[in-house]
Amino acid sequence: ETGVTQTPRHLVMGMTNKKSLKCEQHLGHNAMYWYKQSAKKPLELMFVYNFKEQTENNSVPSRFSPECPNSSHLFLHLHTLQPEDSALYLCASSQDLIGQGSTDTQYFGPGTRLTVL
Amino acid sequence: GESVGLHLPTLSVQEGDNSIINCAYSNSASDYFIWYKQESGKGPQFIIDIRSNMDKRQGQRVTVLLNKTVKHLSLQIAATQPGDSAVYFCAENIVGYSTLTFGKGTMLLVSP
Repeated sequence: ETGVTQTPRHLVMGMTNKKSLKCEQHLGHNAMYWYKQSAKKPLELMFVYNFKEQTENNSVPSRFSPECPNSSHLFLHLHTLQPEDSALYLCASSQDLIGQGSTDTQYFGPGTRLTVL
Repeated sequence: GESVGLHLPTLSVQEGDNSIINCAYSNSASDYFIWYKQESGKGPQFIIDIRSNMDKRQGQRVTVLLNKTVKHLSLQIAATQPGDSAVYFCAENIVGYSTLTFGKGTMLLVSP
């Protein structure tokens, strides 16, 4: 286990539903990330938070809404998604933002497999 | 645009062989590289990293080699085991950026 947990592990939702993905890290890290992993494509960075503040929004559609209430928890709120949003959504954390700390390693959770019907 | 990519999408080896997975990068400003392993149904798992001031770094059964001249990164796995079967991908960090850029991945298949 990496110390990063995600729930639910699997989610099936309709295009009109509203759901939320949850991520929790038990590593005492300051930075947290949301990634999207689609088949045959590289990991796509969605959002970056550092000390609860959003530092990156990688041109993500507004139907994805992140929330970071504290440094240990990260949510991704979903509403009116499209079938092409079906993917594995991965959460990661690192001690500090990449490039700003003595260690830059990101640790990933197991992901939430999302299917949009 | 500049990106990180992998030469081979699939690598099949016999148990006990040594495996070499390659990664090419195009941004000369990249100064930190990581190799991840992703097994089916799991998130990426950190294997080993290397900074641009090094050419080689060794871990347990794994070695990462960095050739900055040709912008090439490789992961060597010694005495490959069936449990090593997974997708392996590299990631780079460009100086001044707080994010990682990931490659597409190489599937390593280890036969008993």
